[in-house]
Amino acid sequence: KQEVTQIPAALSVPEGENLVLNCSFTDSAIYNLQWFRQDPGKGLTSLLLIQSSQREQTSGRLNASLDKSSGRSTLYIAASQPGDSATYLCAVSGMDSSYKLIFGSGTRLLVRP
Amino acid sequence: EAQVTQNPRYLITVTGKKLTVTCSQNMNHEYMSWYRQDPGLGLRQIYYSMNVEVTDKGDVPEGYKVSRKEKRNFPLILESPSPNQTSLYFCASSLKQGRETQYFGPGTRLLVL
Repeated sequence: KQEVTQIPAALSVPEGENLVLNCSFTDSAIYNLQWFRQDPGKGLTSLLLIQSSQREQTSGRLNASLDKSSGRSTLYIAASQPGDSATYLCAVSGMDSSYKLIFGSGTRLLVRP
Repeated sequence: EAQVTQNPRYLITVTGKKLTVTCSQNMNHEYMSWYRQDPGLGLRQIYYSMNVEVTDKGDVPEGYKVSRKEKRNFPLILESPSPNQTSLYFCASSLKQGRETQYFGPGTRLLVL
């Protein structure tokens, strides 16, 4: 059974720092991995999608990497800003017929001005 | 604007009173699904739909029903709500079969007394 773990559970950094969020999964048989951010009272916003055949994806200050063989992904945020404060979730799409996303429990990020 | 909408956003009800949470997407997506988010349990899939008139159970379908009569709409029905269905519900959609970026609605917070 696929399990997704995110470390750390919470992170507080001063504005301007570069930071790395970690995600690990137990079953390497995945189709893709997706990073989301969740703001209080709002839905999930998709940040990056990495297909299983890809190693990384970039969008602005965000860079996500995927090492399928070791079951790991990282989300790198450059020059963090207070507006980046949110909960970040990673999710993997397995190869079963439901195509459901299996989510980690998230990393709650606070960027202090 | 491409989006997934849910209604209502907040709902307080009593045990046994049937309710429907609507979900609509304007992106012509084939795949739609429902998740619930609970503290300590994360997000779990309730039901999903590959296309019109094609639906199937996710991981936690007990107590829920769905229908997909039109491509854009995927309502979640609680025939006889119970307190253990108190949760935050999210609808999601993607272009085809869940292998692509999944877009989430803003969430519906349900309290069953």
